[in-house]
Amino acid sequence: AQSVSQHNHHVILSEAASLELGCNYSYGGTVNLFWYVQYPGQHLQLLLKYFSGDPLVKGIKGFEAEFIKSKFSFNLRKPSVQWSDTAEYFCAVNALYGGSQGNLIFGKGTKLSVKP
Amino acid sequence: ETGVTQTPRHLVMGMTNKKSLKCEQHLGHNAMYWYKQSAKKPLELMFVYSLEERVENNSVPSRFSPECPNSSHLFLHLHTLQPEDSALYLCASSQDWGRTEAFFGQGTRLTVV
Repeated sequence: AQSVSQHNHHVILSEAASLELGCNYSYGGTVNLFWYVQYPGQHLQLLLKYFSGDPLVKGIKGFEAEFIKSKFSFNLRKPSVQWSDTAEYFCAVNALYGGSQGNLIFGKGTKLSVKP
Repeated sequence: ETGVTQTPRHLVMGMTNKKSLKCEQHLGHNAMYWYKQSAKKPLELMFVYSLEERVENNSVPSRFSPECPNSSHLFLHLHTLQPEDSALYLCASSQDWGRTEAFFGQGTRLTVV
């Protein structure tokens, strides 16, 4: 079965620091990749997605992610974080073929705390 | 506002109670999902409905029973739950099963006492 690993459980940064959150997945076939964000007390929102094409994907609020197929990775980056980026970030993968086709599988999430 | 509305937002129920969670989507989507979000665990996919037919049931105990009466509504019927079932239950929808991004509701915080 496919799985998604997010390596950092909790990341603490100061404002203006750069951010990179790791995400690796286990499926070897074609995948759609997503990053979702959950701000305190709010619903899960889509941050960005990769379906095909340019492996460097730009999302909302200055976030971007790079799909590296050879490393089965889809890391999330932001050059300069703000206090308002404090939230929990979830990587998700959808395998287009195989036993779990069509199902969005999530990582455990990474909690980001940004100190003002 | 996400276009996916869940009610109630909070629910406390005893182990012998029967209750239902409701989800409604206003996005014209064809697929709807139930996820369970517990502390320190990945979101767990419970059920998937595509075009009102159940297409996935991820080994969920029978004390959870989904119902999808039409493409806009999804229910999760609960009976004789256990304290370990306490969690945030999230409903989501997508244009089609699997190939497009999912939109989530705010969830129902369930506490089983």
